[in-house]
Amino acid sequence: AQKVTQAQTEISVVEKEDVTLDCVYETRDTTYYLFWYKQPPSGELVFLIRRNSFDEQNEISGRYSWNFQKSTSSFNFTITASQVVDSAVYFCALSPSGNTGKLIFGQGTTLQVKP
Amino acid sequence: NAGVTQTPKFRILKIGQSMTLQCTQDMNHNYMYWYRQDPGMGLKLIYYSVGAGITDKGEVPNGYNVSRSTTEDFPLRLELAAPSQTSVYFCASRDSKIQETQYFGPGTRLLVL
Repeated sequence: AQKVTQAQTEISVVEKEDVTLDCVYETRDTTYYLFWYKQPPSGELVFLIRRNSFDEQNEISGRYSWNFQKSTSSFNFTITASQVVDSAVYFCALSPSGNTGKLIFGQGTTLQVKP
Repeated sequence: NAGVTQTPKFRILKIGQSMTLQCTQDMNHNYMYWYRQDPGMGLKLIYYSVGAGITDKGEVPNGYNVSRSTTEDFPLRLELAAPSQTSVYFCASRDSKIQETQYFGPGTRLLVL
């Protein structure tokens, strides 16, 4: 079975706190891609990052960083020094092998950053 | 580039009515997708297309139909709308290179009463 689990339904933090959003995936494929998308209150889906299964290097982009660990099938997302504008629903998604590119989404984590 | 556009933004349907959700992309992407997002849930794939004239079912295709006569357009047809189809519908497209990122439209909010 192919599945993405985001166990944290809602997280609330105070501005400037660091926060980590968890993502655990299941797949038997050896080649796959993982994604994170942001859905702000306006409703659109904004691409944040793509990672392939052969690249376990962590990535940092400004205040955002991602930790990919194949050994635990996890692809966690950390926001450092959170800001109110980070308030959104964040989705982790898995694209299994094959070139159809279908995305399997987790349930999403709602992040509320309070001033 | 307008990217992926969807119309309408919002629609109310009565049970049993039919409608077509429009999706157009101007990036010359071969791959296009329709997802639905129910409240508090992630997105689920309804149908997808890997090129003009080629479509296939996703995870939740029942009650929907699609066609792909051009590269740019990928309309989603709802026949005999039911309350269970109340959802937000997202169209997405991507380049045909291996696992290129999908780019999403702004969504269509549908309410079936």
